[in-house]
Amino acid sequence: NAGVMQNPRHLVRRRGQEARLRCSPMKGHSHVYWYRQLPEEGLKFMVYLQKENIIDESGMPKERFSAEFPKEGPSILRIQQVVRGDSAAYFCASSPPLAVNTEAFFGQGTRLTVV
Amino acid sequence: KNEVEQSPQNLTAQEGEFITINCSYSVGISALHWLQQHPGGGIVSLFMLSSGKKKHGRLIATINIQEKHSSLHITASHPRDSAVYICAVRTEYGNKLVFGAGTILRVKS
Repeated sequence: NAGVMQNPRHLVRRRGQEARLRCSPMKGHSHVYWYRQLPEEGLKFMVYLQKENIIDESGMPKERFSAEFPKEGPSILRIQQVVRGDSAAYFCASSPPLAVNTEAFFGQGTRLTVV
Repeated sequence: KNEVEQSPQNLTAQEGEFITINCSYSVGISALHWLQQHPGGGIVSLFMLSSGKKKHGRLIATINIQEKHSSLHITASHPRDSAVYICAVRTEYGNKLVFGAGTILRVKS
């Protein structure tokens, strides 16, 4: 049973390009969370999705960032027109449906570097 | 003031020492998690607690709900325990996690 899979592990983008980060949840999990870890800072919640629905996006920057979790395929975190300040580690976590208290299952993260 | 506070920020210990990392929170929670992150690495869940105490190998985690405080203990510490240890709470009214800033632990041989 594969864990939460994120790809790519490392992503380098020039300023102004788009970054697409992918997250495949654990088998049987239909809830996905994205978190961001800026350099020298703690982890911060970005967005919580279920299949085809955004449940809570209170942590998403207002512009350039979007997330989706389609019926088929991985969840995608998309950052348009990246800037140097977007350089960070982006982690995805997943949980099963109807789970309030569940272990935290994280992916290995995608480390985005904007040059 | 952050909703989740950890102490100490940095901790250096000698191999074999008993280590304690503390976490205090100011919100109502449904569960508290202790996580481990190695440099450049992923995040691994060590414990999920909603009450009492849990033990796994040399690691022990306790929580006091009334005092809104949790501790992570490492007995007989080893250099491979060197990592960042993160306390995170799942709030009462949502599924997202709120994180402490982390404790950077270095165990010297």
